Amino acid sequence: AQTVTQSQPEMSVQEAETVTLSCTYDTSESDYYLFWYKQPPSRQMILVIRQEAYKQQNATENRFSVNFQKAAKSFSLKISDSQLGDAAMYFCAYRSAISGSQGNLIFGKGTKLSVKP
Amino acid sequence: KAGVTQTPRYLIKTRGQQVTLSCSPISGHRSVSWYQQTPGQGLQFLFEYFSETQRNKGNFPGRFSGRQFSNSRSEMNVSTLELGDSALYLCASSVQGSGNTIYFGEGSWLTVV
Repeated sequence: AQTVTQSQPEMSVQEAETVTLSCTYDTSESDYYLFWYKQPPSRQMILVIRQEAYKQQNATENRFSVNFQKAAKSFSLKISDSQLGDAAMYFCAYRSAISGSQGNLIFGKGTKLSVKP
Repeated sequence: KAGVTQTPRYLIKTRGQQVTLSCSPISGHRSVSWYQQTPGQGLQFLFEYFSETQRNKGNFPGRFSGRQFSNSRSEMNVSTLELGDSALYLCASSVQGSGNTIYFGEGSWLTVV
C-alpha cells in the first residue's frame, strides 16, 4: 500500500522569505500523480500544484514550485516570497494512475505553515 | 462555474442516530469521492462513485455507505452514529480520467454527542 509522510508538523516563515515543505512517499507503482493541497482555516482543500510522475520537469505555479525526485520518492514544495495568505495546513497527496483508482487520494498528515509579518 | 457544494455545513447528532450528507459536484464532473478528516487520523478516503456505481472503497465499517444519482449528485449515510464519527466530511469531484484534478467542497462538520 502506498503511504505519504510529511515529517514537519509545523513550519514558520517570515513574510517575503522562502520556505520548503517536505514530503516523501512510498509506492511500488511507476505511474502516479502527486499533489500539494492547501487547507486554510475555512477548511476547504485548495489545489496548489500537481506533478505527473512521468514528467521529469518540476511543476511550477507562480510562487509555488516543487522538487520532484522520483528515485528518492521525494516531493517537496517551495513557496517563494511568502505572503500572509499562505498561512494554512499543507497536505501532500498521492494518487495512483491505475484505472479505477483515480478517486483515491492518499494524504500525508499535513504541515501547518505560519507566516510572520 | 459553481464549485463542489456540500450540505448541510454543520450538524449535531446524538449517538445512535443516523445522518445523511449531500454533495453536488462541479457541473460535468461524474466522479465523486468522500473523505473523512479528524485530528487523530487525518484525511481518510471513504469511497468513490462514478456513473452511479461505487468504484472504490476505503477501510471503513459498513455503517458508512453512499450512493450517486443519475445527475452525479452524491449522498453519504452514516448509521448508528458513534462519538468517533465526529469529523469533517469532505466531498470531492473530478472529470473522468486519472490525470484530472480533484476539487473539494467546503465540507460538512458532523458532531456526535
